[in-house]
Amino acid sequence: SQQGEEDPQALSIQEGENATMNCSYKTSINNLQWYRQNSGRGLVHLILIRSNEREKHSGRLRVTLDTSKKSSSLLITASRAADTASYFCATLRGNQFYFGTGTSLTVIP
Amino acid sequence: DTAVSQTPKYLVTQMGNDKSIKCEQNLGHDTMYWYKQDSKKFLKIMFSYNNKELIINETVPNRFSPKSPDKAHLNLHINSLELGDSAVYFCASSQAGTGVQPQHFGDGTRLSIL
Repeated sequence: SQQGEEDPQALSIQEGENATMNCSYKTSINNLQWYRQNSGRGLVHLILIRSNEREKHSGRLRVTLDTSKKSSSLLITASRAADTASYFCATLRGNQFYFGTGTSLTVIP
Repeated sequence: DTAVSQTPKYLVTQMGNDKSIKCEQNLGHDTMYWYKQDSKKFLKIMFSYNNKELIINETVPNRFSPKSPDKAHLNLHINSLELGDSAVYFCASSQAGTGVQPQHFGDGTRLSIL
């Protein structure tokens, strides 16, 4: 069954603006990961946040995790045209990964 | 050097045929996966496999079978292809400890059934 749901489904912003996308999930998790998928390519791992962490940073990326609300957010600051891609959250339940349907981000130069 | 490579990149075939997709990883990872991504970009795990255990998603038809000749390869065989099998299939790998380590994906095989 589908585990993660990203919101919004699509997001369009101007270059330089910040982009925030959210992920909600249904059951307890060990960790949550965010991935990026450029058009016609495979997924690329961005960041992993463990269930006992609340916030994590990596360059222009900031991820938060609220296990009480079963939700996570990915913030991309100072967006660039190259950030245009789909972004997926992935959660681990047992030993299987579950991905959402992704947020399609378009950054307009 | 490509870390996870899949062949072919595109596969167009007739309904009822049998086909295989190959996957190789040069990362020395212990675990490999196959995913199916549909037209709405929903990504679903099909199999995860290491040299000890094959985990099958129970919703995957038994027409799909993974075959691993060695730790670096996990091929996907599909028998009696159906229209609904049209999708993009991704191979991925990770270090041992499923879920703790990030997954590395290939660029996908676009399967179209006529």
